Amino acid sequence: GENVEQHPSTLSVQEGDSAVIKCTYSDSASNYFPWYKQELGKGPQLIIDIRSNVGEKKDQRIAVTLNKTAKHFSLHITETQPEDSAVYFCAATLMNTGFQKLVFGTGTRLLVSP
Amino acid sequence: DVKVTQSSRYLVKRTGEKVFLECVQDMDHENMFWYRQDPGLGLRLIYFSYDVKMKEKGDIPEGYSVSREKKERFSLILESASTNQTSMYLCASSLSTGGQNTIYFGEGSWLTVV
Repeated sequence: GENVEQHPSTLSVQEGDSAVIKCTYSDSASNYFPWYKQELGKGPQLIIDIRSNVGEKKDQRIAVTLNKTAKHFSLHITETQPEDSAVYFCAATLMNTGFQKLVFGTGTRLLVSP
Repeated sequence: DVKVTQSSRYLVKRTGEKVFLECVQDMDHENMFWYRQDPGLGLRLIYFSYDVKMKEKGDIPEGYSVSREKKERFSLILESASTNQTSMYLCASSLSTGGQNTIYFGEGSWLTVV
């Protein structure tokens, strides 16, 4: 089945720096790749997603890139702020008899220091 | 806004007890999910349901069952709680089986089994 690997597990940056989180997936049929942000004590919230027919997508300070050939995708956060501190999860769809279920990475804890 | 509500945020149960975790969504979503979140393991799918009274096993269904008698409500049941089921449980919902639709999460239920 699908397997999603996420790196790094923890990432510390200074405010204003950029942060990059990388994920790889195993199932070449996967076609949807969302990223979730989980703040302390809360459930994950979707922050950006990308579909397999697009190589890059940007939303203000957040961008995601997808390399289908290499089967990896990345989250880029520019001009980081302390409120970006959270755990980030990548995910990929698994085609399964017409019902797509997400497989998640193991998460990256991002700490942005003022 | 979509709202997925998990009625119990924090529970402490004894080994062998039967435990019910309740989840309600208010957006008429067809799909509902139960995930388990553990440090270093990410989010793992326990069960999902794509319609009333329908259920499918996820990746780690052992020791759990589910019930979906109404479209808006999806319950996770631990028939006989064990200490290795101490975890955070996340309920989620999404709009349809077409895939590539946003999955919305609840705030999570922290379960401690002693």
